[in-house]
Amino acid sequence: DAGVIQSPRHEVTEMGQEVTLRCKPISGHDYLFWYRQTMMRGLELLIYFNNNVPIDDSGMPEDRFSAKMPNASFSTLKIQPSEPRDSAVYFCASSLSGVGAFFGQGTRLTVV
Amino acid sequence: AQSVTQPDIHITVSEGASLELRCNYSYGATPYLFWYVQSPGQGLQLLLKYFSGDTLVQGIKGFEAEFKRSQSSFNLRKPSVHWSDAAEYFCAVGLHNQGGKLIFGQGTELSVKP
Repeated sequence: DAGVIQSPRHEVTEMGQEVTLRCKPISGHDYLFWYRQTMMRGLELLIYFNNNVPIDDSGMPEDRFSAKMPNASFSTLKIQPSEPRDSAVYFCASSLSGVGAFFGQGTRLTVV
Repeated sequence: AQSVTQPDIHITVSEGASLELRCNYSYGATPYLFWYVQSPGQGLQLLLKYFSGDTLVQGIKGFEAEFKRSQSSFNLRKPSVHWSDAAEYFCAVGLHNQGGKLIFGQGTELSVKP
């Protein structure tokens, strides 16, 4: 298995633009997590899905953030409109039965 | 509330020396515990995990960790550090009643000097 695949690896966008981050989890995994990593706040969970259903989105910072999982092999995290303070590394992770997550390489987002 | 504390922000060890990275957690039940490693510009790689049973767990790359319930600790150890071990190390608690979501410590950056 290729592991968790995220795209793009790097994204530079202007403030106010829409940004979409993509994730393909490991096949057969039933949990998918979106994390954000910043120097100030470290690694924080934004949202997680179980069997494609959002379970806990309490970590999503604002209504500008939304996440979907239309099927078991694909998820998106969208920011609209983007702001400079959204600059961070965004990780997608997946796990089987919610234990021991495997992380993707991350998307480094820069909003200028 | 659940939390993870890694008291050491940065540690420097000599190549070949032993290593211990500290981790303390706060969680009301028996925790799932993890150590991850992150190299610059990379994702997080799972080093080892503890769910139950033997309190000394072995992981990849020669790492081990010991769960001590009385001290609420899960320290990571390696008997002989290699230059390639330089990275950031994260301890995490998995909340098994919340889908296994991970609460991370702030990380410990490890530098290895020749």
